[in-house]
Amino acid sequence: EDQVTQSPEALRLQEGESSSLNCSYTVSGLRGLFWYRQDPGKGPEFLFTLYSAGEEKEKERLKATLTKKESFLHITAPKPEDSATYLCAAGGGGADGLTFGKGTHLIIQP
Amino acid sequence: KAGVTQTPRYLIKTRGQQVTLSCSPISGHRSVSWYQQTPGQGLQFLFEYFSETQRNKGNFPGRFSGRQFSNSRSEMNVSTLELGDSALYLCASSLVGTGNYGYTFGSGTRLTVV
Repeated sequence: EDQVTQSPEALRLQEGESSSLNCSYTVSGLRGLFWYRQDPGKGPEFLFTLYSAGEEKEKERLKATLTKKESFLHITAPKPEDSATYLCAAGGGGADGLTFGKGTHLIIQP
Repeated sequence: KAGVTQTPRYLIKTRGQQVTLSCSPISGHRSVSWYQQTPGQGLQFLFEYFSETQRNKGNFPGRFSGRQFSNSRSEMNVSTLELGDSALYLCASSLVGTGNYGYTFGSGTRLTVV
């Protein structure tokens, strides 16, 4: 059974304090590893897709990386508007949709 | 361009009733997936449709069903509602239903069963 585990569950940072969010996955035949951002009352907003170990993608203050067992979302010099829940999801070879982690609730304090 | 549109945004139903939720994907997207989001379980995959055919189905009882129309719009139906069906129901569309492209989510339908 495909599994995705995110840590920490919650993270509080000061503005400008860089950190990383972790996503561990156990998926047979990974088709893609996805990162989403979700704000309260809204649907998840697509950030990145990673397909193979060693791949990296960047967008503004966010950088996503992928190994054979984990993905990291690095946030550099975050701002209060980066506060959100960050979701990791894996698409497996069984093609039973995406398997999501429970998310990391990130709070950036000014 | 217009995003994924889900209607209605909020819904309150009584136990035992049935409900139909609607999703209009981004123009040109032929794959539509449905997810249930609850505080305890997070996002869980319900089913995926591509060109009017159900391609995959998650581990939900048969009370949950869906369909897709020729214009790619999709509906999901839940019959004999239970209190535990209260959740945010999210629809996502993508260009190709293989998982190799980012899925774009709608804002969801918040269903409350009383």
